[in-house]
Amino acid sequence: DAMVIQNPRYQVTQFGKPVTLSCSQTLNHNVMYWYQQKSSQAPKLLFHYYDKDFNNEADTPDNFQSRRPNTSFCFLDIRSPGLGDAAMYLCATSRNDGDAEQYFGPGTRLTVT
Amino acid sequence: DQQVKQNSPSLSVQEGRISILNCDYTNSMFDYFLWYKKYPAEGPTFLISISSIKDKNEDGRFTVFLNKSAKHLSLHIVPSQPGDSAVYFCAARNDYKLSFGAGTTVTVRA
Repeated sequence: DAMVIQNPRYQVTQFGKPVTLSCSQTLNHNVMYWYQQKSSQAPKLLFHYYDKDFNNEADTPDNFQSRRPNTSFCFLDIRSPGLGDAAMYLCATSRNDGDAEQYFGPGTRLTVT
Repeated sequence: DQQVKQNSPSLSVQEGRISILNCDYTNSMFDYFLWYKKYPAEGPTFLISISSIKDKNEDGRFTVFLNKSAKHLSLHIVPSQPGDSAVYFCAARNDYKLSFGAGTTVTVRA
């Protein structure tokens, strides 16, 4: 089935140790998004790619970076994770920029020790 | 600054009865509103949406109402079924961006 896949589902990293989360999609959608969701809070958009164009949200910390090497894959890099970065990270896609309906992966739960 | 708020973190309803979920927003530039449903260990999935030029949209057991003057959105599920037990997120679009509420956990009791 066409879908959005996130690996790993659970990731434990040490304080300050770089970590990469990955997302792939078989929907052939142009747009890929990364959200951060902390416990009992709303998902918060970090950045998104429209094709190869990267769009960073103004309040996304510099510690968070992203790469999209091709249409199917998108990576979230956290350069120096802090305890406050522990969260669920959700990847989503949409066919085109501005499409309201987004398709979400199951998320990666990041723990920082 | 939370532009979309779901003030009820949880809702318990008996099977067969109506579930009403509420959502308030502050940004008058939102032009499209959506509800997403999330089961444990899965990502949110799209449920139903409404354009800002409408006040009601119905899809089977699900109806979304929009009151623009009050900046209020609601989702009605009738009749509620056990499979409706999930977290429901309200979302609103401005330009390319969706802003989400924190979610309401619905539990349908047998």
